[in-house]
Amino acid sequence: GAVVSQHPSRVICKSGTSVKIECRSLDFQATTMFWYRQFPKQSLMLMATSNEGSKATYEQGVEKDKFLINHASLTLSTLTVTSAHPEDSSFYICSARDFRQQETQYFGPGTRLLVL
Amino acid sequence: LAKTTQPISMDSYEGQEVNITCSHNNIATNDYITWYQQFPSQGPRFIIQGYKTKVTNEVASLFIPADRKSSTLSLPRVSLSDTAVYYCLPKKDTGRRALTFGSGTRLQVQP
Repeated sequence: GAVVSQHPSRVICKSGTSVKIECRSLDFQATTMFWYRQFPKQSLMLMATSNEGSKATYEQGVEKDKFLINHASLTLSTLTVTSAHPEDSSFYICSARDFRQQETQYFGPGTRLLVL
Repeated sequence: LAKTTQPISMDSYEGQEVNITCSHNNIATNDYITWYQQFPSQGPRFIIQGYKTKVTNEVASLFIPADRKSSTLSLPRVSLSDTAVYYCLPKKDTGRRALTFGSGTRLQVQP
């Protein structure tokens, strides 16, 4: 299947700092990418839909000023967690749909964020 | 989107066939059924997708009855490495909507 990468795979930061997570579709173009968050023993929760060349669409309860999303190209979307706090510690996963394969949604390997 | 219901957990032994059934009573006409597998600290991995009847690939089989109100993921001869969480998800055949995840089924394979 199609490949989606994320960088970094894990990051530890101090409270109050900002962290940027990159999501790339390696062998296909994705006009739309999605960002999810997953807490331990829980399911994936959709945070936002990232649209290339336009503003992201955020789910209810997700602060757009705290979780900045930029989708500057057809293969790259970034999520920046601004002024991170310990409660933002989580597993962040991006995904993208491959229109060549019946729009199957492929997921990145995830980024483990730990805020101290 | 159709609400899905799966068993929270299942146990099996190596070499056995495992069948995980998901009910989706309100599935829409243009929804496919998609199954994903997730290992700890990894992103979900696409396993199989179907609309009706039976679909088989190198990993699993998917059975969907005529009324499409349920589907069954069949994993032949499981091994320890099949221990994971399995998610059943309805998916629109077109459009840009994201997949919505339920709680999934935690499969534990014992030696």
